[in-house]
Formats: sequence, structure tokens, C-alpha cells
Amino acid sequence: AQKVTQAQTEISVVEKEDVTLDCVYETRDTTYYLFWYKQPPSGELVFLIRRNSFDEQNEISGRYSWNFQKSTSSFNFTITASQVVDSAVYFCALSEGGRDDKIIFGKGTRLHILP
Amino acid sequence: DAGITQSPRYKITETGRQVTLMCHQTWSHSYMFWYRQDLGHGLRLIYYSAAADITDKGEVPDGYVVSRSKTENFPLTLESATRSQTSVYFCASRPGGTNTEAFFGQGTRLTVV
Repeated sequence: AQKVTQAQTEISVVEKEDVTLDCVYETRDTTYYLFWYKQPPSGELVFLIRRNSFDEQNEISGRYSWNFQKSTSSFNFTITASQVVDSAVYFCALSEGGRDDKIIFGKGTRLHILP
Repeated sequence: DAGITQSPRYKITETGRQVTLMCHQTWSHSYMFWYRQDLGHGLRLIYYSAAADITDKGEVPDGYVVSRSKTENFPLTLESATRSQTSVYFCASRPGGTNTEAFFGQGTRLTVV
């Protein structure tokens, strides 16, 4: 069965520091898809990125970067030069390939960026 | 309005009452999902649907009923609400194919007293 583990429940860093959010997943499928979502204090869920299992290239988008490593079943998210607006709950999620297209989420990491 | 909308946004109900949370999407997405969000548990999948008249249980289906007679609607019913069902409920949809992200509604905050 698919599973996503976000071991860091809560992280606090001072503004401008870099921070990495960990995500470890479990799946028996060779084809699967990974996602990151952000939930700011306003409560909506904002999609950040998706990655398929065949693409292990790291992704960078501005201050955000993602490190996908199949060897360790991890899909970590790094924020460089953090800002107060990055304060949110971040969720990692997994969808397996094939007929069953449900998306399973981790428990989330609450990130506090302190001014 | 285009997108995915949930109603009501807030609901207070009494233990034992039946309550239905509505979800409507205008994209004709094949897949729809219901999640509940609780502190310490993240987002847990309740039910999902691959198409009209096709529904499947998620991680925490007990106490909930869903239906999907039309592609655009996916109501979630609590047949006899319990205090443990106090939560924030999110509906989501995605197009067919597992390489797509899900789009979420604004959420419904349900309190069972």
C-alpha cells in the first residue's frame, strides 16, 4: 500500500535561512507520481510541483527546489533564503500509476519563518 | 464560476443528525476526492470517485456515504454525525490520468456538538 511519511511535524527557522522539508514514500509500483502542496494560514491548498517516477532530475523554481531520489524513496523540498510568507503547512503526496488514481498525503510539516 | 466549490463553508450540527457536504466542479474532471484534515493527521482520504457512478473507499470511510450521479457533483453525507467527525473537509478533483495534480475546494469546517 502506498504511504507518505513527513517526519518533521513542525520546523522554525529565522528569515533568510535555508530549510529542507523531508518526504519519504512507499510504493510497490514502478510508475508513480509525487506532489507537494502548500497550505498557507488562509487554509487553501496550493499545488507546488509534481514529479513522475521516471524523471529524477532535480527541479528549481525561484527559491524553491526539489530533490527526488528513488534510491532512498525521498522527495525533499528546500526553500532557499526563506521569507515570512513561506510560513505554511506543506504536504507531500503520492499517486500510484495504474487504475487506482487516489492521492495519498503525508501528515504535513508546519513551517514557521521567524522575522 | 469556474472551478471547484464546496458548500457550506461552515456548518454546526448536533450529534446524530445527518449532514451533507456538497462539492461541485465545472471542469468535467473524471476524478473527485473527499479528504478530512485534522491536527496531527494531515489530509486523510475518505472516498474517491473515478467517474460518475464509480466510487471507492479511501483511508477513513467509516461513517460516511458518497454518491456521484453526475460528473460535476460529489456530495459527502454523514448519516449520523459524531463528535469525532468534527473536522475540515476538502473536496478535490483531477482530470483522468495519474500524472495530474488535484485541484482543491476551499474546504468546509464542520463542527459536531
